[in-house]
Amino acid sequence: GNSVTQMEGPVTLSEEAFLTINCTYTATGYPSLFWYVQYPGEGLQLLLKATKADDKGSNKGFEATYRKETTSFHLEKGSVQVSDSAVYFCALSDRDTDKLIFGTGTRLQVFP
Amino acid sequence: DVKVTQSSRYLVKRTGEKVFLECVQDMDHENMFWYRQDPGLGLRLIYFSYDVKMKEKGDIPEGYSVSREKKERFSLILESASTNQTSMYLCASNQLSAGTDTQYFGPGTRLTVL
Repeated sequence: GNSVTQMEGPVTLSEEAFLTINCTYTATGYPSLFWYVQYPGEGLQLLLKATKADDKGSNKGFEATYRKETTSFHLEKGSVQVSDSAVYFCALSDRDTDKLIFGTGTRLQVFP
Repeated sequence: DVKVTQSSRYLVKRTGEKVFLECVQDMDHENMFWYRQDPGLGLRLIYFSYDVKMKEKGDIPEGYSVSREKKERFSLILESASTNQTSMYLCASNQLSAGTDTQYFGPGTRLTVL
């Protein structure tokens, strides 16, 4: 069945450091891929998405590229800020049902 | 902006009580979803609905039921709450889209069952 694996956290970084959060997936067919972010005390909100192979999603300085050959969708940001501290979820969608399948989430903590 | 609202941010109930969690979306979305979020487990789908009065089981439906009488409202029901249902509950909605549309989430309800 479909599944998403993402690196365990927490990831602890200093401000302006480079961020990578790894995400790999297993899926039949060609799912869309998403990164959602959850700030403290809030629900999830979309950070970026890619709907086909080689697409790059980007938003707020974050980016991720849909790599079919490595079944990956790693999240990157060149220079993190304290305000980026949150939990990040990688997810894929089932084209037949619109269901999302989530990874377990990665907590990012950025210190000044 | 899409808005998904949930009836309560925090709820405390006793074991055996019947619990209703309400979710309302204002964007005329066909799909609505209920998830629970637990540390180390991510989000797990309880039930979803792709139309009024239609519902399908997700990955962990045991102990839950749902109701969708109107397009904008999707209710999660715990028939007899138990302590292992203490969790964060998140509602979401989106368009029918062959998996390409963003799901929009409510702020969540943190339920504690004593």
